[in-house]
Amino acid sequence: EVVMTQSPATLSVSLGERATLSCRASQGVSANLAWYQQKPGQTPRLLIYGASTRATGIPARFSGSGSGTEFTLSISSLQPEDSAVYYCQQSNNMYSFGQGTKLEIK
Amino acid sequence: EVRLVESGGGLIQPGGSLRLSCAVSGFTVSSNYMSWVRQAPGKGLEWVSVIYTSGSTYYADSVKGRFTISRDNSMNMVHLQMNSLRVEDTAVYYCVKDDAHFSFWGQGTLVTVSS
Repeated sequence: EVVMTQSPATLSVSLGERATLSCRASQGVSANLAWYQQKPGQTPRLLIYGASTRATGIPARFSGSGSGTEFTLSISSLQPEDSAVYYCQQSNNMYSFGQGTKLEIK
Repeated sequence: EVRLVESGGGLIQPGGSLRLSCAVSGFTVSSNYMSWVRQAPGKGLEWVSVIYTSGSTYYADSVKGRFTISRDNSMNMVHLQMNSLRVEDTAVYYCVKDDAHFSFWGQGTLVTVSS
């Protein structure tokens, strides 16, 4: 089983600043890594797949990077609507999610 | 337009069974991988099961031997038969289009296992 660990658990960043979220895999997952955004009461939304490819309709201020075991989701010019929980997910060996990072906008 | 609509959730006693259904429009389930993902109240996301285009099925260890995923090609639907339900199976269950990443999600159906 591939264990995905996200850090930090909670991140508080000022409006207009840049947020950096991390995701680590317990074993290499190549670039088989996706990121999701979930707002309260809503279903998760795919942001990034293949570690760095933005899904349809996702703004360019969302970017993903990494390969192997270390991955990053960056959100530039934070907007109020970016307040959400963000999950990473690997699909290299079945599927597993990280526990989530809650992003708060100051 | 892609649409996934789950049904079949509800309140069930421990040890009971439920069958969840997912009605799909906008693509063909037999030509795509389909997964179920669940989310316990206030908790994170957990992958549950997948059915491949070949018909092969796989399960999370937490549900293996108790849950069965299937599809009905004629109705373009996916099902999740859940037996021997436990309190810890309480969650919103999402049907998702599986492209290795989960590109489209249904709105979810709540399963509550409680006595």
